[in-house]
Amino acid sequence: ELKVEQNPLFLSMQEGKNYTIYCNYSTTSDRLYWYRQDPGKSLESLFVLLSNGAVKQEGRLMASLDTKARLSTLHITAAVHDLSATYFCAVGLQHYGGSQGNLIFGKGTKLSVKP
Amino acid sequence: GAGVSQSPSNKVTEKGKDVELRCDPISGHTALYWYRQSLGQGLEFLIYFQGNSAPDKSGLPSDRFSAERTGGSVSTLTIQRTQQEDSAVYLCASSLRSEFGYEQFFGPGTRLTVL
Repeated sequence: ELKVEQNPLFLSMQEGKNYTIYCNYSTTSDRLYWYRQDPGKSLESLFVLLSNGAVKQEGRLMASLDTKARLSTLHITAAVHDLSATYFCAVGLQHYGGSQGNLIFGKGTKLSVKP
Repeated sequence: GAGVSQSPSNKVTEKGKDVELRCDPISGHTALYWYRQSLGQGLEFLIYFQGNSAPDKSGLPSDRFSAERTGGSVSTLTIQRTQQEDSAVYLCASSLRSEFGYEQFFGPGTRLTVL
């Protein structure tokens, strides 16, 4: 059974600080997705990582993928209050014929950035 | 352009009643997915449609759950004889193509409460 584990599950940090969220998964996959969810809202796509060594950055967020270690990280630089949300990583499963099936999600990391 | 839309946004029903939830994917997207999000179980995959292929129903929790997709576009998720444990937010997502690596775009969800 594919498992996706995120840690930490809760993260309280001060504005201006840096931190990293970790996402480990238990099966071979080179499709890793990061989503953001604000309270009462749906999931917003942040990053799609498609190969080993992939690194993507958007503003204060940077995501990377190490398929050999089955690990993805989401690094937060100089956090600001607007980044407060829940962040999910998800692993894509490849179905027969190369099609993409469903995503398997981690439990999410609830980030709270305090002034 | 328009994103994934879902209706209703909220549904309160009594135990034992049937409910129908609707999803309109992004125009031109060939793949459609249903997930549900609950406090206890996190984000769980339910069912996946790709074009005219038979759907992948591997995530449906019981035979009370069914879904159809008409004309390759709109989808309806039906829950028969609802139980309190069915209370959750039901999320629909679509992706442009089924090939591995295409990101899934999520709708706002339907919050189902079973009394």
